[in-house]
Amino acid sequence: SQTIHQWPATLVQPVGSPLSLECTVEGTSNPNLYWYRQAAGRGLQLLFYSVGIGQISSEVPQNLSASRPQDRQFILSSKKLLLSDSGFYLCAWSKMGASGANVLTFGAGSRLTVL
Amino acid sequence: GQNIDQPTEMTATEGAIVQINCTYQTSGFNGLFWYQQHAGEAPTFLSYNVLDGLEEKGRFSSFLSRSKGYSYLLLKELQMKDSASYLCAVRDSNYQLIWGAGTKLIIKP
Repeated sequence: SQTIHQWPATLVQPVGSPLSLECTVEGTSNPNLYWYRQAAGRGLQLLFYSVGIGQISSEVPQNLSASRPQDRQFILSSKKLLLSDSGFYLCAWSKMGASGANVLTFGAGSRLTVL
Repeated sequence: GQNIDQPTEMTATEGAIVQINCTYQTSGFNGLFWYQQHAGEAPTFLSYNVLDGLEEKGRFSSFLSRSKGYSYLLLKELQMKDSASYLCAVRDSNYQLIWGAGTKLIIKP
């Protein structure tokens, strides 16, 4: 069976500090990978998605970046955090391709507070 | 623009039935999803509709009318553990998911 791991679960960072959130998927190959941010009272916002190693699509211009160094590893980074980066970050995976149900499976999430 | 509307919050009684509505206006349609999200946790998949009609899965059912841009999630025999947010999402013509803000469901004994 497939599992998705995301860490850290919680972090508190000062403004201007760097960020690294990591996500790995087990039990599948060539997954589509996603980073979402969820703000209170708002829908999930897609930040980045990847259909393969080194292939990253950015949906929202911001000071965040993503990388996919390995097939089942997806990393969200920032060089300098802003207060507005606070939120609940979710990694997700789906099977390659967009047809059918192609359900998203989410990691447990990372709660980021920037002070 | 693309838009998904859901009620912000609903309250229901344990053992009762509740219907959570979702209306959408998107660029094309390639399926509608419902997810459940407990507070502080990740969303988990509940149902998928791509054709008109009702899909039943245990205590949960989901309905879709593409001509009306409308779906609902029906929860029967409510249990306290059903207290959660319910997210509606539509996949558009570019196969991108558009998410509603979610409906917080509060179950009272």
